[in-house]
Amino acid sequence: QQPVQSPQAVILREGEDAVINCSSSKALYSVHWYRQKHGEAPVFLMILLKGGEQKGHDKISASFNEKKQQSSLYLTASQLSYSGTYFCGTELSNSGYALNFGKGTSLLVTP
Amino acid sequence: NAGVTQTPKFRILKIGQSMTLQCAQDMNHNYMYWYRQDPGMGLKLIYYSVGAGITDKGEVPNGYNVSRSTTEDFPLRLELAAPSQTSVYFCASRSGNLAKNIQYFGAGTRLSVL
Repeated sequence: QQPVQSPQAVILREGEDAVINCSSSKALYSVHWYRQKHGEAPVFLMILLKGGEQKGHDKISASFNEKKQQSSLYLTASQLSYSGTYFCGTELSNSGYALNFGKGTSLLVTP
Repeated sequence: NAGVTQTPKFRILKIGQSMTLQCAQDMNHNYMYWYRQDPGMGLKLIYYSVGAGITDKGEVPNGYNVSRSTTEDFPLRLELAAPSQTSVYFCASRSGNLAKNIQYFGAGTRLSVL
């Protein structure tokens, strides 16, 4: 069950903020966020476990709403280096089964 | 800190040829995975393994085979390559430990079948 990401694409000017959403139709155990630059492998950003905790990494933070089965990634005061495709990966339990990834959100930060 | 190593980085195959994509990790991770990524799409799971000697199919296993004889290695075999298998292939691994549950990716293998 592939999670649904929105928006599909977003263009920002440097310094602007963005929110990327990831929704699942099933109860989630965890949500993982990755960023992928063109031609490169996905790079891990953060994990959120059920319980609604919010995590932060520099000016990037995320939340996990267990009731809505939705996670949001917040990018504040965006930098040029934030450009790339953001993927959420979800898992329904801690079973070792692979993460199920959304189709990605393409983010372009312009000067 | 090698992490997850994939070889080769690029490969061109003719229709009907076979090849093995290599994947090795040095983090002593139990769980390993193979994904394929088509342009503009997310990552689709091909096969996965929860430990040496144990493998199982993912979402898109047709045309592929895997083996896991050691904890470190998880090769992906393509038999009778077809143009539909043109893609970027990523290998990944996780420890399964709740405190260190990050999934690490290799750099990818870009495969073209002509």
